[in-house]
Amino acid sequence: AQSVTQLGSHVSVSEGALVLLRCNYSSSVPPYLFWYVQYPNQGLQLLLKYTSAATLVKGINGFEAEFKKSETSFHLTKPSAHMSDAAEYFCAVTFTGNQFYFGTGTSLTVIP
Amino acid sequence: GAGVSQSPSNKVTEKGKDVELRCDPISGHTALYWYRQSLGQGLEFLIYFQGNSAPDKSGLPSDRFSAERTGGSVSTLTIQRTQQEDSAVYLCASSLLGTSYEQYFGPGTRLTVT
Repeated sequence: AQSVTQLGSHVSVSEGALVLLRCNYSSSVPPYLFWYVQYPNQGLQLLLKYTSAATLVKGINGFEAEFKKSETSFHLTKPSAHMSDAAEYFCAVTFTGNQFYFGTGTSLTVIP
Repeated sequence: GAGVSQSPSNKVTEKGKDVELRCDPISGHTALYWYRQSLGQGLEFLIYFQGNSAPDKSGLPSDRFSAERTGGSVSTLTIQRTQQEDSAVYLCASSLLGTSYEQYFGPGTRLTVT
């Protein structure tokens, strides 16, 4: 069965520090991979997606993620955290587009 | 353009009552998804509609849950005889075939069963 694991339900970083949010999937077949951000009382917004093209994917708001097949990972990074990055982040995978599997989310706190 | 909209934004109901949650997808989007998000949990897939195909209902947690999509557009999620464990945020998303499955989410309906 496919699944998505996000290590760390809560991550705190100082403003200006590196952001690293981890995502691993379990599947023998590379899926389509996504990172979504959810601000309080809002729906999810797509940050970036991997669709079997370049393994390093750049998204909105300065975020990027690298697909590593050997590690079955798709970690999200941002070189310098901003206060506005504080939110919940979800990793998701799909293989056929009919079912998406979401991680349990990582809450990012940015400390001034 | 207009995004995905959901109504109501909040719904408080008594245990045992039926509720209907509405989703208006982005115009022209052929795929529509319903998810449930419980406190501290990820998104739980409920049901998927794609065009005129039979929906994928494999995520519906019980027969108290049902959904329909009329005219390939608006969708209604119905929960009958609500239970307290049904309390959650229900999210709807839509996507356009051929866009690498990129989903656009609505703001959700927060359901509280008392």
